[in-house]
Amino acid sequence: DVKVTQSSRYLVKRTGEKVFLECVQDMDHENMFWYRQDPGLGLRLIYFSYDVKMKEKGDIPEGYSVSREKKERFSLILESASTNQTSMYLCASSPGLGNSPLHFGNGTRLTVT
Amino acid sequence: QKEVEQNSGPLSVPEGAIASLNCTYSDRGSQSFFWYRQYSGKSPELIMFIYSNGDKEDGRFTAQLNKASQYVSLLIRDSQPSDSATYLCAGVFRVDAQKLVFGQGTRLTINP
Repeated sequence: DVKVTQSSRYLVKRTGEKVFLECVQDMDHENMFWYRQDPGLGLRLIYFSYDVKMKEKGDIPEGYSVSREKKERFSLILESASTNQTSMYLCASSPGLGNSPLHFGNGTRLTVT
Repeated sequence: QKEVEQNSGPLSVPEGAIASLNCTYSDRGSQSFFWYRQYSGKSPELIMFIYSNGDKEDGRFTAQLNKASQYVSLLIRDSQPSDSATYLCAGVFRVDAQKLVFGQGTRLTINP
């Protein structure tokens, strides 16, 4: 089974802090994604990566950056956390482009106070 | 118009009945569609995917795709209380084939 592991299940941070969310997958997948999920808005894509050191902006990249130094690891960085970034963050991976289904991690519920 | 739209519900169905979940999409060169189930507090899990027009069956689940009318549906036969969850429809479109676009999800409740 594909395993996508997010480092923290719950995280509480203060406004202005730099926040790192880590994600590791164990199936040698090419693609990795970061989504946030908010009530009534569904899943929204923040960033994705289709290769090591490659990244593409999703629909809501503002206030976020990413890093993919190794194929199995994809990090989401909140440069200066704000209260409107309080959300559930979901990491996902897939073996190929587009038509491949996503495999999700368990999610990180981030609260910014 | 959002690219993928779902009625957010809640949709309430009696146990044993057929639950019908619908999804419409804007025409951007649709390629394929996925249905995910998400229990409260959990991450989404894949139920089915469909690429071609018509029906695709897997156990109690049937996915239907109609590209001419731009809708996708998921039927759940013999609904069980354990089917109570939020169902997410997602599509891949030719213009941006690297990413899935999700609808906002439909909350389904199966009443015993």
